[in-house]
Amino acid sequence: QVQLVESGGGVVQPGRSLRLSCVTSGFTFSSYGMHWVRQAPGKGLEWVAVIWFDGRIQYYADSVKGRFTISRDNSKNTLYLQMNSLRAEDTAVYYCARDGITFGGVNYFDYWGQGTLVTLSS
Amino acid sequence: SYVLTQPPSVSVAPGKTARITCGGNNIENKGVHWYHQKPGQAPVVVMYYDNDRPSGIPERFSGSNSGNTATLTISRVEAGDEADYYCQVWDSSSDHVVFGAGTKLTVL
Repeated sequence: QVQLVESGGGVVQPGRSLRLSCVTSGFTFSSYGMHWVRQAPGKGLEWVAVIWFDGRIQYYADSVKGRFTISRDNSKNTLYLQMNSLRAEDTAVYYCARDGITFGGVNYFDYWGQGTLVTLSS
Repeated sequence: SYVLTQPPSVSVAPGKTARITCGGNNIENKGVHWYHQKPGQAPVVVMYYDNDRPSGIPERFSGSNSGNTATLTISRVEAGDEADYYCQVWDSSSDHVVFGAGTKLTVL
């Protein structure tokens, strides 16, 4: 069965960096675009970034562009999110999610991980 | 940037029909996707591309999209349908995924 397992969250000081990982299994990782979506405590869903199935294309939300980098290692079935210059407003549960259609742009999210919590605190 | 507008809350009695709306400029020209999320859980897709239902989602769930409004309709509402519901689109003009702010469905 499809599984997405995030890790790397924790408590970090503003201005510091953190790298999240999402290890996947149960499907052909290299055939699917992948996303990061976050949810601040008590708030709604906020899309963060997407990376194409082959890693050629990435898009970012305006709130993280220039600070976050999405990447993937298709040989390890793993998605990453490098987060630099972290701010208090980046506090959230970060979910990785699979795009619902193979080899094709951005669609919907058919599988989600359980999320990893990132907390900014000085 | 593209904006999706959802009512903050919808309340419905068990067995009745709930309609959750998602407003956006000419949203009928976009594929709209819907998720529900229960407390402490990850979101789950309940409708994609306006009216396609994933396997495992009951036939009580249906979707429509016309003009400036997309609608998720839940017939014969059950207590287990109580959740936050989010609509989502891909805005190709900005290369951004957009979520609505979410609607809390309360089953009375």
